Amino acid sequence: GENVEQHPSTLSVQEGDSAVIKCTYSDSASNYFPWYKQELGKRPQLIIDIRSNVGEKKDQRIAVTLNKTAKHFSLHITETQPEDSAVYFCAASQTGIQGAQKLVFGQGTRLTINP
Amino acid sequence: DSGVTQTPKHLITATGQRVTLRCSPRSGDLSVYWYQQSLDQGLQFLIQYYNGEERAKGNILERFSAQQFPDLHSELNLSSLELGDSALYFCASSYRTYSDTQYFGPGTRLTVL
Repeated sequence: GENVEQHPSTLSVQEGDSAVIKCTYSDSASNYFPWYKQELGKRPQLIIDIRSNVGEKKDQRIAVTLNKTAKHFSLHITETQPEDSAVYFCAASQTGIQGAQKLVFGQGTRLTINP
Repeated sequence: DSGVTQTPKHLITATGQRVTLRCSPRSGDLSVYWYQQSLDQGLQFLIQYYNGEERAKGNILERFSAQQFPDLHSELNLSSLELGDSALYFCASSYRTYSDTQYFGPGTRLTVL
């Protein structure tokens, strides 16, 4: 089955700097790659996603890149702000028989923005 | 607010007991997913239902079962509870299934004593 590895597990950056989180996946059939942000005790919230027919997607300060050949994808946050502090999860999924979809999550990255 | 609701918010019970967690998907969403989040296992997919039918299974224990009703709400039943079942249980929903965005509910925190 699919396996998703996420690095680093913790990341500390100065406010205003950029943060990059990387994930690799094992199953070349995976075709959907969302990123979720989770604050302590709260629900995961989708911040951006990318599908396998696209190499890059941007939404204001957040961007995601996908390299299907190398089977890795990355989250880039620019001009970081204190409210960006949270745990970030990458995930991968593929559509199976009759639309079955299993999201396999990475282990998470705890991002801390230092003022 | 994602539009997905879950009840109860918190549940405290004893080992060996049985509990039911409830989820109502966003209006119009046909697919419901259940996830377990624990400190040592991270976010784990349990099971998916689409329009009342089971579509995908993850690492769901035999002691756990789920169903989706005609009004599309879903219930996750956990029986013969063990200490290790203590976790946050999330429900998510999406409109269809094909690479659709999943929106998560607020979760139910289960504590087994």
